[in-house]
Amino acid sequence: DVKVTQSSRYLVKRTGEKVFLECVQDMDHENMFWYRQDPGLGLRLIYFSYDVKMKEKGDIPEGYSVSREKKERFSLILESASTNQTSMYLCASGFHRVIHEAFFGQGTRLTVV
Amino acid sequence: AQKVTQAQTEISVVEKEDVTLDCVYETRDTTYYLFWYKQPPSGELVFLIRRNSFDEQNEISGRYSWNFQKSTSSFNFTITASQVVDSAVYFCALHAGNNRKLIWGLGTSLAVNP
Repeated sequence: DVKVTQSSRYLVKRTGEKVFLECVQDMDHENMFWYRQDPGLGLRLIYFSYDVKMKEKGDIPEGYSVSREKKERFSLILESASTNQTSMYLCASGFHRVIHEAFFGQGTRLTVV
Repeated sequence: AQKVTQAQTEISVVEKEDVTLDCVYETRDTTYYLFWYKQPPSGELVFLIRRNSFDEQNEISGRYSWNFQKSTSSFNFTITASQVVDSAVYFCALHAGNNRKLIWGLGTSLAVNP
């Protein structure tokens, strides 16, 4: 079974803190994605990566950065957390050359206070 | 422009009823893929089906069926004899052309009541 694992299920951070959300996949997928999910807004793509050290901005990259130093790991970084970044964060991975389904992690519910 | 519209925000049914979730998509590409995902209360999105633009055959998997109609740009999802475990948010998504990413609908929240 494909496994996409997010480091934390729930996280509470203070405004201004630097926050790292980690995601690891075990299927050698080229593509990895970070989404945030908010009520009424669906899934919005923050960043994605199609190879090691490669990244592309999604629809809402402001306030976020990412790191992909190894193929299996994709990190989302909130440089200075703000309350409007309180959300559910979902990581996904998938193959690049074959249009296939994306596999999702269990999500991290981040609360910034 | 590429877009996915799920007009139904919330649906509530009683167990054993049939229910159809609508999905309408927009794309100018001739090659594209459509997906349905389920997000149960636990939070993890689960893949249900992928359909490519050249295959208009309807698909049935147990109580689930999908109706793909290019003429109306729709890819609707029907659950027959719904069960409480079907309660979830269901997302329709589109992958088109050389885009590396999925275009998502806003989801339909389905509540199946006993």
